[in-house]
Amino acid sequence: TQLLEQSPQFLSIQEGENLTVYCNSSSVFSSLQWYRQEPGEGPVLLVTVVTGGEVKKLKRLTFQFGDARKDSSLHITAAQPGDTGLYLCAGDRGSTLGRLYFGRGTQLTVWP
Amino acid sequence: ETGVTQSPTHLIKTRGQQVTLRCSSQSGHNTVSWYQQALGQGPQFIFQYYREEENGRGNFPPRFSGLQFPNYSSELNVNALELDDSALYLCASSQGTSGRTDTQYFGPGTRLTVL
Repeated sequence: TQLLEQSPQFLSIQEGENLTVYCNSSSVFSSLQWYRQEPGEGPVLLVTVVTGGEVKKLKRLTFQFGDARKDSSLHITAAQPGDTGLYLCAGDRGSTLGRLYFGRGTQLTVWP
Repeated sequence: ETGVTQSPTHLIKTRGQQVTLRCSSQSGHNTVSWYQQALGQGPQFIFQYYREEENGRGNFPPRFSGLQFPNYSSELNVNALELDDSALYLCASSQGTSGRTDTQYFGPGTRLTVL
């Protein structure tokens, strides 16, 4: 059983469209991170959100942490083929261990 | 480029064999975590080492073991390989006393196939 549920699992869209990926849990996290992973590579950190209700923007990507720190969303505006990849959310429950709990990921494909 | 390297890139083993995977962390990073990522899944935490001592463990059996060395390198050893051990194995290094809230930098992974 995954502590973090991501949806959708797969997303296939045309260049220029907008999209939102969701990451939900019944557990509270001290922080939540979003990663992007390319085939044959490890996950690369995009952003960390720490405060409930926090919104962070990274160019065309907007990340939001839920008020209760149980969920998060990633919104991409005007998607481009270069955005194609596996997007993973990961939560830190605040233990001294620093263990990350990952969702299953959203495979995004953006067609030209 | 995260500065974390892993070897080998790919590995094929048969059931029952033993395997050692290697990771080289960023210089100065005292904490290394290992994750298993099965096909179509997110990474699952195996264990974490801090200054050469195991600092915590996920839901993996004892045949998964590790070592961390003073030169910022580490190993993941898996004994008695099973078919379900086929996965991408990722190491992640981080700075700080315990890894808590520190950014984890992932290596490219080792793809293990068990036949």
